[in-house]
Amino acid sequence: SQQGEEDPQALSIQEGENATMNCSYKTSINNLQWYRQNSGRGLVHLILIRSNEREKHSGRLRVTLDTSKKSSSLLITASRAADTASYFCATDASNNNDMRFGAGTRLTVKP
Amino acid sequence: DGGITQSPKYLFRKEGQNVTLSCEQNLNHDAMYWYRQDPGQGLRLIYYSQIVNDFQKGDIAEGYSVSREKKESFPLTVTSAQKNPTAFYLCASSGTYGGYTFGSGTRLTVV
Repeated sequence: SQQGEEDPQALSIQEGENATMNCSYKTSINNLQWYRQNSGRGLVHLILIRSNEREKHSGRLRVTLDTSKKSSSLLITASRAADTASYFCATDASNNNDMRFGAGTRLTVKP
Repeated sequence: DGGITQSPKYLFRKEGQNVTLSCEQNLNHDAMYWYRQDPGQGLRLIYYSQIVNDFQKGDIAEGYSVSREKKESFPLTVTSAQKNPTAFYLCASSGTYGGYTFGSGTRLTVV
């Protein structure tokens, strides 16, 4: 069963704009992770945020986590055409060590 | 350089045939995972292994089998019992940090 669900399913923006993607999940977690996938390729780990953290930054990425709402958001600032990809959130339930992925948000950044 | 290698990149299977997908890592990670991805979909967990000589079924294990005889290797066999095997298969591993490292995937097609 999929644990995380991303929203929106697809997002199209102009270069330079910010992109925000959301993730909701159902059960308690140890951590939540965001991944990026270019078409036909493997996933690349972007950022991990633990259940006791509320916000984390990495370069142009900002991730927030609200465990009371069981939700997370990924913000990409000053987007570039090269950011075009699918973005997935993944969670590990507190009683498991395996990750479950959502269906992803397909981001298109137009030059 | 450390990483995960999946082979082959493309694989064609005839009806009723078993095929084995290779996954090798040199990251010294204890845990390894197999996911299936269908077009426009998220990842679904097939099998995972937290330690050598031990593995657990994921959400869609029927029609698949795995082995974990060595820490570095986690091959996946798609058996003839898997009625709809055409998909993109991704292998991943994780260490103590928790983030997953993915291979570049194997695209399996039934002919």
